[in-house]
Amino acid sequence: KAGVTQTPRYLIKTRGQQVTLSCSPISGHRSVSWYQQTPGQGLQFLFEYFSETQRNKGNFPGRFSGRQFSNSRSEMNVSTLELGDSALYLCASSLETSGTFNEQFFGPGTRLTVL
Amino acid sequence: AQKVTQAQTEISVVEKEDVTLDCVYETRDTTYYLFWYKQPPSGELVFLIRRNSFDEQNEISGRYSWNFQKSTSSFNFTITASQVVDSAVYFCALSGANTGNQFYFGTGTSLTVIP
Repeated sequence: KAGVTQTPRYLIKTRGQQVTLSCSPISGHRSVSWYQQTPGQGLQFLFEYFSETQRNKGNFPGRFSGRQFSNSRSEMNVSTLELGDSALYLCASSLETSGTFNEQFFGPGTRLTVL
Repeated sequence: AQKVTQAQTEISVVEKEDVTLDCVYETRDTTYYLFWYKQPPSGELVFLIRRNSFDEQNEISGRYSWNFQKSTSSFNFTITASQVVDSAVYFCALSGANTGNQFYFGTGTSLTVIP
């Protein structure tokens, strides 16, 4: 099975711009979560989508948003970029069975640099 | 609140030495899940193990072993006969039954194995 894929792998943007990142989960996985990783704050949960619905949300401003499509692919959007948004954005997918939460499998990440 | 503490920021060992990575967690959930992930320099988080709160059995997988002790809220990870390829950052993570796929990560332990 193919793993979690994320595009693009690298992005350079300037302050004030917006960006959209894409994630394709492992086939059959319906849960997709997004994390932000920075040297200062570590790995922080952004949000989770399951069956096209946001099920969980971390403590991030409204500039960070996401969505999930019927094929479970997900996108996250960051508007009005700030320097502090520079980070590695990781997407993870998970297979849920009978309400049991399972391990998440991570993609390679998108490295976003805001200048 | 959920919290994971990895007190060891950096560890260096000489090849073939054993090394233990500590993980202490806090949660009020009676059902929860613990995970270990490896992040090599490439950046992708690699799943290593998942442990459910109701299963305190220790596990061994090749050179890797995990010791889960609810009494001390710890989930430590030991690498036996370390190899250079084990050099990476290791993260311990926690999710609760009520927070599902929202993982709470520790700050990670950077392991360097010196040949």
